[in-house]
Amino acid sequence: GNSVTQMEGPVTLSEEAFLTINCTYTATGYPSLFWYVQYPGEGLQLLLKATKADDKGSNKGFEATYRKETTSFHLEKGSVQVSDSAVYFCALSDLGGGFKTIFGAGTRLFVKA
Amino acid sequence: NAGVTQTPKFQVLKTGQSMTLQCAQDMNHNSMYWYRQDPGMGLRLIYYSASEGTTDKGEVPNGYNVSRLNKREFSLRLESAAPSQTSVYFCASSELVWGGESPLHFGNGTRLTVT
Repeated sequence: GNSVTQMEGPVTLSEEAFLTINCTYTATGYPSLFWYVQYPGEGLQLLLKATKADDKGSNKGFEATYRKETTSFHLEKGSVQVSDSAVYFCALSDLGGGFKTIFGAGTRLFVKA
Repeated sequence: NAGVTQTPKFQVLKTGQSMTLQCAQDMNHNSMYWYRQDPGMGLRLIYYSASEGTTDKGEVPNGYNVSRLNKREFSLRLESAAPSQTSVYFCASSELVWGGESPLHFGNGTRLTVT
């Protein structure tokens, strides 16, 4: 079945550091891939998405590239801010899963001033 | 611009009590979902409704029932609450798009504690 594996946290960085959160997936079809972010006390919100191989999703300085050959969708940001502290979820949705979105376990990010 | 609205925000139940979690969306989305979020486990799908008039089980449906009341509203019922149902519950909605690329829109969650 489909699954998503992302790096365990928490990840603690200083402001302006480079961020990478690894995500790999298993899917029987050709999934769409997503990163969602959850700020304290709130629901998840879409950060970025990519729908086919080699697509790059980007938003608010975050980027992720859909790599079919390595089944990966790693999240990166060149310079994090304190306001980026949140939990980040990698997710996939595809025909094989009936379009139901499957989430990774989440990675908590702390950014220190 | 409400989006997805869930009620209540917090609830404490005793084992064996029942309750209904309410969810409404104002984005004219066809599909609605109930997830639970537990530490270290991400979000797991309880039930979903691909379109008005249909509901289907997700990954963890045991102990829950749902009703798609109309296109806007999708409720989740716990008939006899158990401590294992202590969790944060999220309702979400999306457009029904073949290809799976439509993102989910989430409510702010209901934190449920069962003692």
